[in-house]
Amino acid sequence: SQQGEEDPQALSIQEGENATMNCSYKTSINNLQWYRQNSGRGLVHLILIRSNEREKHSGRLRVTLDTSKKSSSLLITASRAADTASYFCATEETSGSRLTFGEGTQLTVNP
Amino acid sequence: NAGVTQTPKFQVLKTGQSMTLQCAQDMNHNSMYWYRQDPGMGLRLIYYSASEGTTDKGEVPNGYNVSRLNKREFSLRLESAAPSQTSVYFCASSVQGAYEKLFFGSGTQLSVL
Repeated sequence: SQQGEEDPQALSIQEGENATMNCSYKTSINNLQWYRQNSGRGLVHLILIRSNEREKHSGRLRVTLDTSKKSSSLLITASRAADTASYFCATEETSGSRLTFGEGTQLTVNP
Repeated sequence: NAGVTQTPKFQVLKTGQSMTLQCAQDMNHNSMYWYRQDPGMGLRLIYYSASEGTTDKGEVPNGYNVSRLNKREFSLRLESAAPSQTSVYFCASSVQGAYEKLFFGSGTQLSVL
């Protein structure tokens, strides 16, 4: 079964707006990662946040992690049409050395 | 620097046929992974190799075998393909385990008729 669950499953916004995606997980983790997948392509790593971190920034991306609620959010600011893609969260459980992915959020940014 | 290279990109099999998906990375990574992705779903781990010489089952290993041929190469074999194995297969690698980010190949679209 999936460790992470993204919410919403699909999100449609206008260019320039902010997009927020959420991820919830079930077990204790070492780190949580966000990936992006353009249609028909492989996944590309966006950002990694470790269990002892609460917030991280990378360009227009902001990731937060709340280990007490077992949840994370990915914020994309000032979105662009090129941000249209699926976004996945993935967790490394403390009990293992592998990455488990959620089902993803499909983001559509309309020009 | 090619990163993670998968071959073939597309394949059509008949039920019962066998095939091997190839994966190679040129980043000197220790860990390699095989995932499958089905429509509307995230990636599910089939097998992984934490380091050269070791392989472990993931979430959905039934019907698959793997070989970590050397540090660069990690192959996935379907011995007797079934329609349920129709999927997109992704190979990935990382420096060491899931402690750091994964680098993904571009995928293999497999259809089993």
